[in-house]
Amino acid sequence: SQTIHQWPATLVQPVGSPLSLECTVEGTSNPNLYWYRQAAGRGLQLLFYSVGIGQISSEVPQNLSASRPQDRQFILSSKKLLLSDSGFYLCAWSEGGANLGHQPQHFGDGTRLSIL
Amino acid sequence: QQQVKQSPQSLIVQKGGIPIINCAYENTAFDYFPWYQQFPGKGPALLIAIRPDVSEKKEGRFTISFNKSAKQFSLHIMDSQPGDSATYFCAASTYSGGGADGLTFGKGTHLIIQP
Repeated sequence: SQTIHQWPATLVQPVGSPLSLECTVEGTSNPNLYWYRQAAGRGLQLLFYSVGIGQISSEVPQNLSASRPQDRQFILSSKKLLLSDSGFYLCAWSEGGANLGHQPQHFGDGTRLSIL
Repeated sequence: QQQVKQSPQSLIVQKGGIPIINCAYENTAFDYFPWYQQFPGKGPALLIAIRPDVSEKKEGRFTISFNKSAKQFSLHIMDSQPGDSATYFCAASTYSGGGADGLTFGKGTHLIIQP
């Protein structure tokens, strides 16, 4: 069966510090990968998605970047964190491949990021 | 611009009642409408999803009703239990054909089922 792992579960960082959040998926090949952010009292906002190694699409201009160095690894980064980067960051995966139709997205348990 | 509007923001129902959560969308290109359930400190889990070619879909105690002309869809939970207390999100997406379709989420409904 497929599993998705995110770490760390919680993170407290000072303003201006760098960030690296990691997400890995097991039990599948060539998944589509996604990063979402959930702010308090709001829905999830899609930040980035990837259909393959090195292929990143950004949905929202921001202080963050994403990379996919390996097939089942997705990394969210920032060079200098802002107070507004605080939130709950969620990674998700779905079956990859063209013309499969809509595939359900499966979420990890997220990283709670607090910027001080 | 909020493309998926969800209501109510919070809802309290007695055990055994039928909570109903409503969503409305604007983008007529949306063709996939899932519902997610989220418990505190956890990621959302897919409950049920519908495509616009059907008006209703049931899975266990969960039912989605879909009104394409009104651009609205709703989640009903039959015989609700305290364990159903969670935050529920509706979402929508379009199919790009290329495989990766990001979801547009509503803001969520915090549901409490009282014993």
